[in-house]
Amino acid sequence: DTGVSQDPRHKITKRGQNVTFRCDPISEHNRLYWYRQTLGQGPEFLTYFQNEAQLEKSRLLSDRFSAERPKGSFSTLEIQRTEQGDSAMYLCASSSLRDGYTFGSGTRLTVV
Amino acid sequence: GENVEQHPSTLSVQEGDSAVIKCTYSDSASNYFPWYKQELGKGPQLIIDIRSNVGEKKDQRIAVTLNKTAKHFSLHITETQPEDSAVYFCAATPGSARQLTFGSGTQLTVLP
Repeated sequence: DTGVSQDPRHKITKRGQNVTFRCDPISEHNRLYWYRQTLGQGPEFLTYFQNEAQLEKSRLLSDRFSAERPKGSFSTLEIQRTEQGDSAMYLCASSSLRDGYTFGSGTRLTVV
Repeated sequence: GENVEQHPSTLSVQEGDSAVIKCTYSDSASNYFPWYKQELGKGPQLIIDIRSNVGEKKDQRIAVTLNKTAKHFSLHITETQPEDSAVYFCAATPGSARQLTFGSGTQLTVLP
């Protein structure tokens, strides 16, 4: 296992378009998290899955954002009708009771 | 909710000197305090963590101290090297499997 993988690494999209990001966690980790990081700031929590159940959502996660983890393995984060304010690094992390968090390298979204 | 403050925002040290980064947290229920190193274009990488049942933890040149009463925790890096240059984030959570609240980061520059 090579850690948490995120795809794509970079995404440029026009305002109003929909985008989808994928995260593949460490295989034995049952917890998966999405965070958003803007320039010069620490990551901010968006949402959290335990297996396939979405257990927590931040108020940052507007109606235009949806996340899924259909089989308790990989997860997707979709942003509909993107806005310039959505430009950020989207980070995925996974963890288990035994292990701490492991972050992926992130997907950098630029909305033009 | 939890609020984590981190100081300083930038820190420059000469190679071989020590660096200290400090964080305070607000939620007395927090009991897990990880530190992350983030290099440009990469996700945060866990470098050390501490749980509330210990006051200090050391791993080679890196140490973390925790004062639960004052709600302070600090990162100490000794014998700094140029490759220590990065952004460092502290974080806090009421459980290692729960969402993390991050500080705003410290840009550490180690001058050769």
